[in-house]
Amino acid sequence: DAKTTQPNSMESNEEEPVHLPCNHSTISGTDYIHWYRQLPSQGPEYVIHGLTSNVNNRMASLAIAEDRKSSTLILHRATLRDAAVYYCIPSGWNQGGKLIFGQGTELSVKP
Amino acid sequence: SQTIHQWPATLVQPVGSPLSLECTVEGTSNPNLYWYRQAAGRGLQLLFYSVGIGQISSEVPQNLSASRPQDRQFILSSKKLLLSDSGFYLCAWSEGGAQYGYTFGSGTRLTVV
Repeated sequence: DAKTTQPNSMESNEEEPVHLPCNHSTISGTDYIHWYRQLPSQGPEYVIHGLTSNVNNRMASLAIAEDRKSSTLILHRATLRDAAVYYCIPSGWNQGGKLIFGQGTELSVKP
Repeated sequence: SQTIHQWPATLVQPVGSPLSLECTVEGTSNPNLYWYRQAAGRGLQLLFYSVGIGQISSEVPQNLSASRPQDRQFILSSKKLLLSDSGFYLCAWSEGGAQYGYTFGSGTRLTVV
């Protein structure tokens, strides 16, 4: 399985952009990079995923390094509701398409 | 649209009692189904997954079992609960394959006393 490294915690100010990094240097060429977040006392919520190209959706943007060994989740304007644990998860054929969660990054947002 | 239902939301059970948690998915057919557990203050651990009726794969040895009696129904069971079975249990579904995202249920918080 591809190993991931994420900061244990990060802080952001409300309405400012947030860049959440993830290193996945052992990622396989066919692994997708998934990002999920988990708010307190809730199940994880899908945020975004991509393979090689940068991806945008209504929640966030995903910037994938050209060598795919790292990626960055970008929240363009953090709100208090974005305070959560963010998980970066490579997933592909080696994992049978399964999502194996690591420890993630706990993001706190200050008003 | 697809929805996932999980119940009950909370459960308090004595040690040694049986357990049955149910998860159902609507609006899709032949989904991949998953059971995860999150112990207090810890990450999510994949317990079981299923790619079809009657097909169950176990990720970790434990006191629990899973069954898939119908295409969109996934059940987590135990014959005798242990204190260590306490945790937040989450069901999820996907269309299968790494190119698809997962949708998680709202979870069951189980406390074994």
